[in-house]
Amino acid sequence: DSGVTQTPKHLITATGQRVTLRCSPRSGDLSVYWYQQSLDQGLQFLIQYYNGEERAKGNILERFSAQQFPDLHSELNLSSLELGDSALYFCASSVGLGPQETQYFGPGTRLLVL
Amino acid sequence: QKEVEQDPGPLSVPEGAIVSLNCTYSNSAFQYFMWYRQYSRKGPELLMYTYSSGNKEDGRFTAQVDKSSKYISLFIRDSQPSDSATYLCAMSPRRGGSEKLVFGKGTKLTVNP
Repeated sequence: DSGVTQTPKHLITATGQRVTLRCSPRSGDLSVYWYQQSLDQGLQFLIQYYNGEERAKGNILERFSAQQFPDLHSELNLSSLELGDSALYFCASSVGLGPQETQYFGPGTRLLVL
Repeated sequence: QKEVEQDPGPLSVPEGAIVSLNCTYSNSAFQYFMWYRQYSRKGPELLMYTYSSGNKEDGRFTAQVDKSSKYISLFIRDSQPSDSATYLCAMSPRRGGSEKLVFGKGTKLTVNP
């Protein structure tokens, strides 16, 4: 158990809908990262927050947004969902900044868009 | 050309075999190199971390980085059925650049008892 929690575990929804994925980082970790994992693209970095501020952006679509709250939990909002958004969404956390920081991954949220 | 290339396998070996997993990359700015292990239906977990070139050993695992060839390897000695998982390489530019990790697609390994 990495100490990172994600809810829900599974989500089934329809095209055009909006969903919110939630992540609670390990105690003491200030950085939160969101990743999308699909069979064809692999694990893709979406966005990083550090202590409430956006720190780095990756291949995140405009239909997706995220935020980190004062208690350091984070939410990833996915809107106008398309079939191709079906994937595993992982949250990871680390103590600080820098590529040398170990990222601890949560168990993921499996999203299925029908 | 993708930034990080990794043969997806699958790779199937008998218990006790030496396993070699590899990634190539194109971005010469990468300085930090990691190997993650992902069991089925779980999140990735960090196995090994190497900065710049050279070797690093941890028990049965050895990570090698050859920056001149833009090639990294993970060797598993005396492989065990519990090593059956997908192995992902990941890399990142030097400190002060983006902290984002770029992952390979992963190699699925099965170790048969």
